[in-house]
Amino acid sequence: NAGVMQNPRHLVRRRGQEARLRCSPMKGHSHVYWYRQLPEEGLKFMVYLQKENIIDESGMPKERFSAEFPKEGPSILRIQQVVRGDSAAYFCASSPSQAGIGYGYTFGSGTRLTVV
Amino acid sequence: AQRVTQPEKLLSVFKGAPVELKCNYSYSGSPELFWYVQYSRQRLQLLLRHISRESIKGFTADLNKGETSFHLKKPFAQEEDSAMYYCALPAARFSGGYNKLIFGAGTRLAVHP
Repeated sequence: NAGVMQNPRHLVRRRGQEARLRCSPMKGHSHVYWYRQLPEEGLKFMVYLQKENIIDESGMPKERFSAEFPKEGPSILRIQQVVRGDSAAYFCASSPSQAGIGYGYTFGSGTRLTVV
Repeated sequence: AQRVTQPEKLLSVFKGAPVELKCNYSYSGSPELFWYVQYSRQRLQLLLRHISRESIKGFTADLNKGETSFHLKKPFAQEEDSAMYYCALPAARFSGGYNKLIFGAGTRLAVHP
């Protein structure tokens, strides 16, 4: 079991470009969570998705950010028209059920986005 | 509002010394608390959760509701314990389950030989 796979590990974008971050959950996990970690800060919740559904996006910035978890394929976090302030580490986690936190909540290695 | 505070950014100790990583929380109700660890170049992984009252790699953590704390302790630090440690609190119970974690800013533990 490869665990939660995130790619790319590092992503460099110029201001105004789009960034696409991918997350493949663990086999058998149908719940995906995205977190963002700004420098010197803890991880901050962004969005919680199940297959084809956004369940909680209370941590997502209102503009430029979107997330999806299609029936087939990985979950995608998309950032349009990136700005320097988007530079951060983005972590994905998955669980087999919505009560998975602390029980089956597995993190990926993260994607480090740098906006130049 | 729910909040997790880890007051120390860095804790530096010598091998064999006792370690205490502090975590304070703000939560109305009965919290469940977790410690996650991130070793260098590895992913964040669950270290322990208070509900299970377990000891992992010699670490323990006791929930003190009076002081709203969940400090992580180990009596004798080892060099391989050097890592980032995050205290976390589930939030927003959703349809019977939790759907997100609130993390502290983390403490870097450096254990010197």
